[in-house]
Amino acid sequence: SQKIEQNSEALNIQEGKTATLTCNYTNYSPAYLQWYRQDPGRGPVFLLLIRENEKEKRKERLKVTFDTTLKQSLFHITASQPADSATYLCALVGNFNKFYFGSGTKLNVKP
Amino acid sequence: DADVTQTPRNRITKTGKRIMLECSQTKGHDRMYWYRQDPGLGLRLIYYSFDVKDINKGEISDGYSVSRQAQAKFSLSLESAIPNQTALYFCATSDLGDTQYFGPGTRLTVL
Repeated sequence: SQKIEQNSEALNIQEGKTATLTCNYTNYSPAYLQWYRQDPGRGPVFLLLIRENEKEKRKERLKVTFDTTLKQSLFHITASQPADSATYLCALVGNFNKFYFGSGTKLNVKP
Repeated sequence: DADVTQTPRNRITKTGKRIMLECSQTKGHDRMYWYRQDPGLGLRLIYYSFDVKDINKGEISDGYSVSRQAQAKFSLSLESAIPNQTALYFCATSDLGDTQYFGPGTRLTVL
């Protein structure tokens, strides 16, 4: 069965630095991959989508890369701010529009 | 008003009781989903529906049932609740598949 791995340990960084979160997967060839943000007590909110034929996608301070050979996606937040503190989930989307989510990585940005 | 609403937001019940969680959406999407979220396990798909007449099991459907009463409504039932169904439950919708829109979640505790 497919497996999605995100670092379960929280990532602690200083304000202004770049945060990099990793999503690795096995036993799957997704059509595309998404990143979501989840705040405590709330539902996930969509951030970015990257397709299998795309290497990189950007949106404001966010950047996502997708390496289908390594089966890995990296999610970057540049010039991080305390307001970026949240849990970030990656999701793989494949046939029949089925979504598979990772367990998320908690990001703490300290002022 | 929120695009995806869930009721109740919190529920405490006892083992063996029947519970229904309700989801409504105003986004006009055909596709609706039910997930549960447990610490360290991420979001796991329970059931999904691509239209009113199409309902499919997800990876953890045992012990659950669903009903798609209309395009805008998708309810999840626990026929006989058990303690390991204690979790955070999310409803989500999507259009043709690119993005999922989540509700605020229902925190269910089974004693």
